[in-house]
Amino acid sequence: SQTIHQWPATLVQPVGSPLSLECTVEGTSNPNLYWYRQAAGRGLQLLFYSVGIGQISSEVPQNLSASRPQDRQFILSSKKLLLSDSGFYLCAWSTEDASNQPQHFGDGTRLSIL
Amino acid sequence: QQQVKQSPQSLIVQKGGISIINCAYENTAFDYFPWYQQFPGKGPALLIAIRPDVSEKKEGRFTISFNKSAKQFSLHIMDSQPGDSATYFCAASNAKIIFGKGTRLHILP
Repeated sequence: SQTIHQWPATLVQPVGSPLSLECTVEGTSNPNLYWYRQAAGRGLQLLFYSVGIGQISSEVPQNLSASRPQDRQFILSSKKLLLSDSGFYLCAWSTEDASNQPQHFGDGTRLSIL
Repeated sequence: QQQVKQSPQSLIVQKGGISIINCAYENTAFDYFPWYQQFPGKGPALLIAIRPDVSEKKEGRFTISFNKSAKQFSLHIMDSQPGDSATYFCAASNAKIIFGKGTRLHILP
């Protein structure tokens, strides 16, 4: 069966520090991968998605970047965190043929910027 | 045209009652409509989904009703239980998935 792992679960970082969040998927090949941010009590904002190694699409301009160094690994990064980067970050995957297929989410990383 | 409008934002239901959450869309190209359930501190989990060739889908106490002509769909939770207290997201997709803004459901014991 397929599983998705995100870490860390919780992170507290000072303003201006770098960030690296990692997501890995097991049990499937060539998944589509997604990074979302969820502000407290709000909906899901798609940040990045990837259909293959090295292929990243950005949905909104921001202080963050994403990379996909391996088929089942997706990384969210920042060189210098801002206060506004606080939130709940979720990684998700779907099958290669994304239409008519659900997305499956990890348990997220709670990021607090001080 | 890519929006999915979800209502209400929050909902309080007595135990044993029926919880109803509504969503509306504009893009007729959407062809898959999933609902997700999210508990605090966890990622959303797929609850139930429907395709536009059927008007209703039922899984246990959860039912999706789909009205293609009105471009609306809804989630009904029968015999609501305190364990159903969570945030629910509707979504619509074709090549991309668009989520509603969520409904925070609280079931009173």
